[in-house]
Amino acid sequence: ILNVEQSPQSLHVQEGDSTNFTCSFPSSNFYALHWYRWETAKSPEALFVMTLNGDEKKKGRISATLNTKEGYSYLYIKGSQPEDSATYLCALFNNDMRFGAGTRLTVKP
Amino acid sequence: DSGVTQTPKHLITATGQRVTLRCSPRSGDLSVYWYQQSLDQGLQFLIQYYNGEERAKGNILERFSAQQFPDLHSELNLSSLELGDSALYFCASSVEGGTGRQVFFGQGTRLTVV
Repeated sequence: ILNVEQSPQSLHVQEGDSTNFTCSFPSSNFYALHWYRWETAKSPEALFVMTLNGDEKKKGRISATLNTKEGYSYLYIKGSQPEDSATYLCALFNNDMRFGAGTRLTVKP
Repeated sequence: DSGVTQTPKHLITATGQRVTLRCSPRSGDLSVYWYQQSLDQGLQFLIQYYNGEERAKGNILERFSAQQFPDLHSELNLSSLELGDSALYFCASSVEGGTGRQVFFGQGTRLTVV
């Protein structure tokens, strides 16, 4: 079982700030790493699926990188907006999919 | 709308009872996952089915069981319910079971045990 660690647990930023958080894992023995965005009272929404060392994905102001050799993935949000407030989940996909505890982001206007 | 349907949306039941949660995956998806989210906890993986067969098992209690039917819908059965079983139960589906394709989540069933 691969343990997925996410940091920080929570983050408060001002509107317009850029921010990033980390997903770390002990081994590269997995098929893919997923990032999800989870708003309160909604279901998790897929952001990125990353499979290769060095992968970089971007969707609007959000981007992610994957470093399987050193065991981490970063999620970046450029120019945070209040609507970015959510919990961001990282998950490792092997034969099943295991989630980290998430980073709860709050963007203040 | 992710295309994954879970019913019911809310369920209130008493301790000791048994309930069944239902999940209909997206059309064409063969793999179904069940997760539990308790208060202030993350998503805990319970069990995964692929094309009717159990593929992986996580932290699922013996009081809980699941199955995936020939039409690919899945049911999660929770028995001898305890107060601590109150949680949001999510179902998710994907096309394949082991290659990391995008996974889509349903809206969840909120179970309250009183």
